Amino acid sequence: DQQVKQNSPSLSVQEGRISILNCDYTNSMFDYFLWYKKYPAEGPTFLISISSIKDKNEDGRFTVFLNKSAKHLSLHIVPSQPGDSAVYFCAASVRSNYQLIWGAGTKLIIKP
Amino acid sequence: DTAVSQTPKYLVTQMGNDKSIKCEQNLGHDTMYWYKQDSKKFLKIMFSYNNKELIINETVPNRFSPKSPDKAHLNLHINSLELGDSAVYFCASSQDANSYNEQFFGPGTRLTVL
Repeated sequence: DQQVKQNSPSLSVQEGRISILNCDYTNSMFDYFLWYKKYPAEGPTFLISISSIKDKNEDGRFTVFLNKSAKHLSLHIVPSQPGDSAVYFCAASVRSNYQLIWGAGTKLIIKP
Repeated sequence: DTAVSQTPKYLVTQMGNDKSIKCEQNLGHDTMYWYKQDSKKFLKIMFSYNNKELIINETVPNRFSPKSPDKAHLNLHINSLELGDSAVYFCASSQDANSYNEQFFGPGTRLTVL
């Protein structure tokens, strides 16, 4: 029962262009969403988050959009840089619950 | 100055053995976690401790036993290792048990059971 889905296992983007990573969820009780970034042989690191009361959150080159009616969120990276090459995980939570539910990740490759 | 550290980084062992993975955080956080990343790359929560008290105990074989001697440490002991236990195990910590909080992860322990 995959409550958080990242349907693209990988994505290749030219340096300087926009990267768009997608995440879908099934549980309408989720009220907080987070994106983590993971380099090989390292643990995930927090990138950006969004509450369900918002539809957009921006932090520098990173913007997360939330469409509650579609149960969909996306992470935009503009402009994409070589250091952005990593695996990106989407995670969701319900306030009353202690745990995060994670997607399987999308591997982003930035081509020079 | 590592925030969340795990030892060992790699662990290769035979089926049936017992092994432990240690985790320490120096962030002063109240909550610590163990995750398993399986071959399909999903991160699945196994256990969580808040102030040394177990608060998440997912459906995990009872061969897995977490131990938190203090807030800064959360160790994972695995008895009678099986082939299916091969995975990467991540330790993480957060300020408190609120799932909104950023979690800080260790580098992972790659367990291979032969």
